[in-house]
Amino acid sequence: GESVGLHLPTLSVQEGDNSIINCAYSNSASDYFIWYKQESGKGPQFIIDIRSNMDKRQGQRVTVLLNKTVKHLSLQIAATQPGDSAVYFCAEVSSNTGKLIFGQGTTLQVKP
Amino acid sequence: KAGVTQTPRYLIKTRGQQVTLSCSPISGHRSVSWYQQTPGQGLQFLFEYFSETQRNKGNFPGRFSGRQFSNSRSEMNVSTLELGDSALYLCASSVEGRVETQYFGPGTRLLVL
Repeated sequence: GESVGLHLPTLSVQEGDNSIINCAYSNSASDYFIWYKQESGKGPQFIIDIRSNMDKRQGQRVTVLLNKTVKHLSLQIAATQPGDSAVYFCAEVSSNTGKLIFGQGTTLQVKP
Repeated sequence: KAGVTQTPRYLIKTRGQQVTLSCSPISGHRSVSWYQQTPGQGLQFLFEYFSETQRNKGNFPGRFSGRQFSNSRSEMNVSTLELGDSALYLCASSVEGRVETQYFGPGTRLLVL
């Protein structure tokens, strides 16, 4: 079936460093991807999205890169702060059904 | 504008019982989607309701059902609970059902003993 996966379950970084969270997806027909942040006790929060006709999109302190050749997605967080500590999910929007297919999540730990 | 609210926030049930969870979407949002989140399976789509009609459905058994009322509030029901139904159940709302514009609630954590 379709699946979107993340490479690492946990990523630990020093405050102020840049963070890179990776995701591999399997459905080459998907045309839209979203990164979510989930803090403890809360639901997922939209961070940034990217369409398959783009290879890079920037937001405030975040950048998403899409490599369709190897079906890889990454989220880069600049100058990581303690408030960035959370679980990050990539999600793929199925072009067939419009449903969200989530990856397993990466826990980002920011060390002071 | 108030966010998506879910009640109750925590629930403990025993195997074989049934449970009903409630979701109040953001005012003006007509689409409500439900997701199940577990450590093993991650986040999985259950179903989506739009204007009181189920518009999309995930791969869950018939024990999982839902409905939407005329005020867009939604409920989901799980009958004959199993241990594996222990999870965080998340509700998300959007104006027209576009996933890129949906907002998630805090979830209801269900524990089945």
